[in-house]
Parts: sequence; structure tokens; C-alpha cells
Amino acid sequence: NAGVTQTPKFRVLKTGQSMTLLCAQDMNHEYMYWYRQDPGMGLRLIHYSVGEGTTAKGEVPDGYNVSRLKKQNFLLGLESAAPSQTSVYFCASSWGYSYNEQFFGPGTRLTVL
Amino acid sequence: AQKVTQAQTEISVVEKEDVTLDCVYETRDTTYYLFWYKQPPSGELVFLIRRNSFDEQNEISGRYSWNFQKSTSSFNFTITASQVVDSAVYFCALVPGNTGKLIFGQGTTLQVKP
Repeated sequence: NAGVTQTPKFRVLKTGQSMTLLCAQDMNHEYMYWYRQDPGMGLRLIHYSVGEGTTAKGEVPDGYNVSRLKKQNFLLGLESAAPSQTSVYFCASSWGYSYNEQFFGPGTRLTVL
Repeated sequence: AQKVTQAQTEISVVEKEDVTLDCVYETRDTTYYLFWYKQPPSGELVFLIRRNSFDEQNEISGRYSWNFQKSTSSFNFTITASQVVDSAVYFCALVPGNTGKLIFGQGTTLQVKP
């Protein structure tokens, strides 16, 4: 069981470039989440999905898009990267919606120059 | 407002000392869930404990214990006889109602010195 994996682990972009972060889980979880972690601010929810084919906005969705075409994968896209999107991005998944703990991936460190 | 406050940004202790990490939450929901996660230097978040709003029983797991008090909206975490391996960032988090959305506190960095 790999749990939750994220690709890539590190990335450097120039302002205006686009990229996609891939999250995969092998636990058959219905729910998946994307967070960003910035110094002194904890983790903040970007987007989430309650099942295959569904997505919803979290706390800080602007500048990001997501897709959940397969149950095991959750993609986070940056169409035109900005320096403010420099952060560490975490993907998570869970069995249930509120009560169940979320399992986190190792994170992707993104720098936008 | 729905919010989690971890007022202690950094704590430094010497090995074998006891240490308490504070967590205060705000929500108007009567049903909610509280969590603690650990983020070691490797970066991955590790689940430690979950509590629902109807269960105020304190919990002990080895050297870890949690004190949930609805009267003060607090969910504090105590490490007894701390060890160097406890050095990490600890996050308290709240899921209000059935939103499914984790609201994290700012985190407390714990450094345990040998």
C-alpha cells in the first residue's frame, strides 16, 4: 500500500507558466483534498472532491483548477502561475466526510519565480 | 466564525520534560470534530487523534494525552517525558458540522533538546 502519493516532489516555475500536480491514492477513498501550507498559516483547503467526477471549492480556490476523472486520482492545475502561489501543496484522502481522519501525501514544494 | 488558534508558535524543552500544546477552537455548530496531526521534519502529516463534540472523555495513548473541555473550547495535547523524536510541528484542526472541511490552526513547533 503506497497510501497517498504526489507527483512531482519539487518544481520551479516562472510567472505565467502552467503545471499540473498529480495526487494518487490506493485506499479506495471517496474523498480527496488539496491544501497549501504557508509559513505561520497552517494548511488551507484549496479544492476538494466528494467522489469521482465531483469537485468543490475550498477556502482559497482562486488561481487553481481541479479534476477527478478517476476515483484514485485528483489533479490540481495552475493555469498561469504567480509568485503568490509559491507554497507547499498537500493532497489528502479520507473514507468519510467529517469524522474520518485524512491521510496526507508527502507534499510538493512549488516555487514560482 | 470557525477558527482554530494555537497561541504557542514555538516551544523548546529539554528531553524528559512534560509539555502541553494549547488549542482553542471556535464554532457555532453543536456537532463538530477535532483532530491533532504531527508534521515531523520529513514533512508528511501524521494523524494522532480525533474527538467528536459529544465525547469529552480525555484520552491517553502512551506518553500522549489529550484534554477536551467544551466549557473553554479547548483541546489541549500533553506529551509526558518528551523525547527528541517528538520534535515536530503539531497542528490542531476542526471540522465544523458535517462540512468535511478541516480548518487548521497555525501549528506549534516543538523542539526537544537532548
